[in-house]
Amino acid sequence: SAVISQKPSRDICQRGTSLTIQCQVDSQVTMMFWYRQQPGQSLTLIATANQGSEATYESGFVIDKFPISRPNLTFSTLTVSNMSPEDSSIYLCSVHRRLDTEAFFGQGTRLTVV
Amino acid sequence: AQSVSQHNHHVILSEAASLELGCNYSYGGTVNLFWYVQYPGQHLQLLLKYFSGDPLVKGIKGFEAEFIKSKFSFNLRKPSVQWSDTAEYFCAVMGFGTYKYIFGTGTRLKVLA
Repeated sequence: SAVISQKPSRDICQRGTSLTIQCQVDSQVTMMFWYRQQPGQSLTLIATANQGSEATYESGFVIDKFPISRPNLTFSTLTVSNMSPEDSSIYLCSVHRRLDTEAFFGQGTRLTVV
Repeated sequence: AQSVSQHNHHVILSEAASLELGCNYSYGGTVNLFWYVQYPGQHLQLLLKYFSGDPLVKGIKGFEAEFIKSKFSFNLRKPSVQWSDTAEYFCAVMGFGTYKYIFGTGTRLKVLA
């Protein structure tokens, strides 16, 4: 399995500000993803973090709102920009190694925007 | 549209009761199927998965799931639940080769001691 460290684990932020979430993996991984879980809803894929290139965003998510970096094979960041209360969610990092049949997840970042 | 439906949002059972959580999916292609569990304060963990072969798959902690292709279902079962099974359970599908999950909304299970 892969051990994923996600920081911060939770935060309360003012609207209009930005928060950067970090995801560190203990081994090199092929794929890294960012998911969002809004209250009472399922986990929804935000984007695939590509190493050395721009992230690939899913429908409904844009780079200006959720800029993502992935400078190497073990680290990625997700920024939630210009936050509003609607951004209050749990944000999860997920990784998938080439030979794995399933993904591994971080513990998530619980974000509250006030 | 691609989606996963979990029929029960909240389930409360007494210890030793049997459990069945429903999961149906809609996806235009070959899928891999998963059940994940999230215990209080912990990260999502894989409970079991189906890729091919025997449609009855066994996972950790006595859980099993049956893939019924004709019904697009992948229901989770456990004959006798324990208090430690209290958790949130997520059904998910992954399009073959995509590495991207589509999750259901989750089922919160509470087992009373």
